[in-house]
Amino acid sequence: GDSVTQMEGPVTLSEEAFLTINCTYTATGYPSLFWYVQYPGEGLQLLLKATKADDKGSNKGFEATYRKETTSFHLEKGSVQVSDSAVYFCALTGLTGGGNKLTFGTGTQLKVEL
Amino acid sequence: NAGVTQTPKFQVLKTGQSMTLQCAQDMNHNSMYWYRQDPGMGLRLIYYSASEGTTDKGEVPNGYNVSRLNKREFSLRLESAAPSQTSVYFCASTKDRDKGLAFFGQGTRLTVV
Repeated sequence: GDSVTQMEGPVTLSEEAFLTINCTYTATGYPSLFWYVQYPGEGLQLLLKATKADDKGSNKGFEATYRKETTSFHLEKGSVQVSDSAVYFCALTGLTGGGNKLTFGTGTQLKVEL
Repeated sequence: NAGVTQTPKFQVLKTGQSMTLQCAQDMNHNSMYWYRQDPGMGLRLIYYSASEGTTDKGEVPNGYNVSRLNKREFSLRLESAAPSQTSVYFCASTKDRDKGLAFFGQGTRLTVV
C-alpha cells in the first residue's frame, strides 16, 4: 500500500539557518504530494502541495519539488524563523483503498532557536 | 469562519468508561475523517465517511464506532475505553474534488487511566 517516510526529529536549528526535511514515498500510479504543518496546540493545516512530477509547491518561504525519479518531496526553507517551530507532516493521496485518502508520514518536529 | 469544530478539547476517562467525541464542519464537505495521533506514529485513520449515511473503516478501527448524523456532523464513540486509546484525536473534512486539501479541528486530548 501507499506509505510516506520522513526524517526523524527533532530538528533543532538557529534562526536564519537553512532547513531541509526529507520525505520519500511509495505509491502506485501518480499520487499528489503535500506538506502539512501543526503548530503547538493546533490541528494540521496545509502548507503546500504538488500534483504532478516536477511541480514545485511553495508557501510562506517553504518549497518542495515533486521528484518522481527519486520518489521524493523534500521540504526546504532558506532562512527559518522562531515562528516556524512546529511539526511538519509529509502526505500523499493515492488510490490504495479506493478512496483517494490522505496517507501521512510520522511527522518531523522543528525547533528554531534564537 | 468556524471550519471544523471538535468537542471536548480535553477528557480523562477511567478504563471501561464510554464517551463520544463530537465533530462538526460548516464547509458543506461530503467527506469527513477521524484520526488519532500518537508519538512516532504520525496520524492514523480510524474511520471515514464519504457522504451522509456512509462510513468505512480506516487503518485502526478496533475499539471505535462512528456515526455520520448528517452532512455536518461525524461523531466517534469509545464504548469501553482502554489505556491504549490514550491519544490525541483529530477530525477532518475534505472537498470531494480535492481529497488532499483537508481541514482539521483543533483536536481532543484523551487520557484513559
